[in-house]
Amino acid sequence: DTGVSQNPRHKITKRGQNVTFRCDPISEHNRLYWYRQTLGQGPEFLTYFQNEAQLEKSRLLSDRFSAERPKGSFSTLEIQRTEQGDSAMYLCASNQGTGNSPLHFGNGTRLTVT
Amino acid sequence: QKEVEQNSGPLSVPEGAIASLNCTYSDRGSQSFFWYRQYSGKSPELIMSIYSNGDKEDGRFTAQLNKASQYVSLLIRDSQPSDSATYLCAAWPPSKIIFGSGTRLSIRP
Repeated sequence: DTGVSQNPRHKITKRGQNVTFRCDPISEHNRLYWYRQTLGQGPEFLTYFQNEAQLEKSRLLSDRFSAERPKGSFSTLEIQRTEQGDSAMYLCASNQGTGNSPLHFGNGTRLTVT
Repeated sequence: QKEVEQNSGPLSVPEGAIASLNCTYSDRGSQSFFWYRQYSGKSPELIMSIYSNGDKEDGRFTAQLNKASQYVSLLIRDSQPSDSATYLCAAWPPSKIIFGSGTRLSIRP
């Protein structure tokens, strides 16, 4: 069990640029989740996958956000035309997808939009 | 109404005392509940899971669940300075896991 891996750890970008983050889940986990967290708040759900299928996407997520999980392994989260309000910690987590399976989090990617 | 609600704190507890953290949830279909600890600048780490009404103990930690009242709590006995962190309550409605905003706990010497 090598844990959930996220890259990069930090990303600084200028407003209007596109950014892409990568998440490698624990290998035997079939569900992968993306959350966003800002200071003083709990993780906010963005989207989740079961294998390669994207099962749910938050209504709060604008069309500038897209996520993929090709072949049901790693996942990418892309933010197009970044805005200052996108600055946050982006957390990836995975689990076995059963009701009693807790999430295992990666170390997160901290995005700063200038 | 938020799906998972917690008092944001800060909750200040003397070292060696019991810290009590509370959480309520709105979806009666929620089956699984989790407590995570998060240090500043770090990602959440699992402390305890609870699925049935009653108490579940693990070392200095006790989780309590009351589905009729839609209430989850976490007790930390013999609080240590290293327990100072934000504690996140999470519920599985099911489908996605929803987090509360967290309670900041500070253990004072």
